[in-house]
Amino acid sequence: EAGVTQFPSHSVIEKGQTVTLRCDPISGHDNLYWYRRVMGKEIKFLLHFVKESKQDESGMPNNRFLAERTGGTYSTLKVQPAELEDSGVYFCASSQNALPYNEQFFGPGTRLTVL
Amino acid sequence: GENVEQHPSTLSVQEGDSAVIKCTYSDSASNYFPWYKQELGKGPQLIIDIRSNVGEKKDQRIAVTLNKTAKHFSLHITETQPEDSAVYFCAASRMNRDDKIIFGKGTRLHILP
Repeated sequence: EAGVTQFPSHSVIEKGQTVTLRCDPISGHDNLYWYRRVMGKEIKFLLHFVKESKQDESGMPNNRFLAERTGGTYSTLKVQPAELEDSGVYFCASSQNALPYNEQFFGPGTRLTVL
Repeated sequence: GENVEQHPSTLSVQEGDSAVIKCTYSDSASNYFPWYKQELGKGPQLIIDIRSNVGEKKDQRIAVTLNKTAKHFSLHITETQPEDSAVYFCAASRMNRDDKIIFGKGTRLHILP
C-alpha cells in the first residue's frame, strides 16, 4: 500500500511569488492534516480536513495560506505571496477514522525555501 | 496555549548504551502521547505511543513512561544501534476530540561507534 506522498520534495522561490504544495493521502483516509516545521522549531499543526471539509484551521498563520481538498482526495496548500518566514518543511499526514485513536501517517515533506 | 517541551535537543550516546529523551506537556486534556522518529529525507514515523490510562509501555528496545500527575513522559532506548540515529519527536494530543498533534522541538540522537 502506498504511503502519503507529497510534491514537490523541494521548492525554492523568491519572496512575493506563489507556490502550491500537493499532498496525496493514503487511499481511503478521510482525515488529512497539514503541519509545518520552521528551522529549529517544533512541527506545528496548520489544519485538518475531514473529506473535503475543513475541520480545524486554527493553525493557519495568515490569509496568505490557502488549503483545499476538492473531492476529498488530494489536497493543495497554496502560499501567495510567499514571505521569507514561510521557509520550512511542510508535512502532510492522513488517518482513517479508527478506534481507539486515529494514527496519523506522515508524508516525506516539502522543503520550501523563500529567498 | 498547548505546549510540549522536549529535552535534550541533541544527544550523543555510545553504541550499546541507553538513550533517554524527556518531555513535558501543558494541556491537562491530552490523552495520547505518540513518539516519532524522523530519518533523513523522510517524514516522522510513529515508533511507539502511550495513552493516558497507562503508565508504561515497552516494545523490544523501546519503552515509554508517562507520569500524568507531573505531566511528564519519556522515551527510553536500550542497547542503542547505529540505525537508531535520527531525530525523535515527542508529541501530545487529545485524540478523538480534535486530533491535532502538538509536537516537541525534537531531539537529534547520534549513536557513536
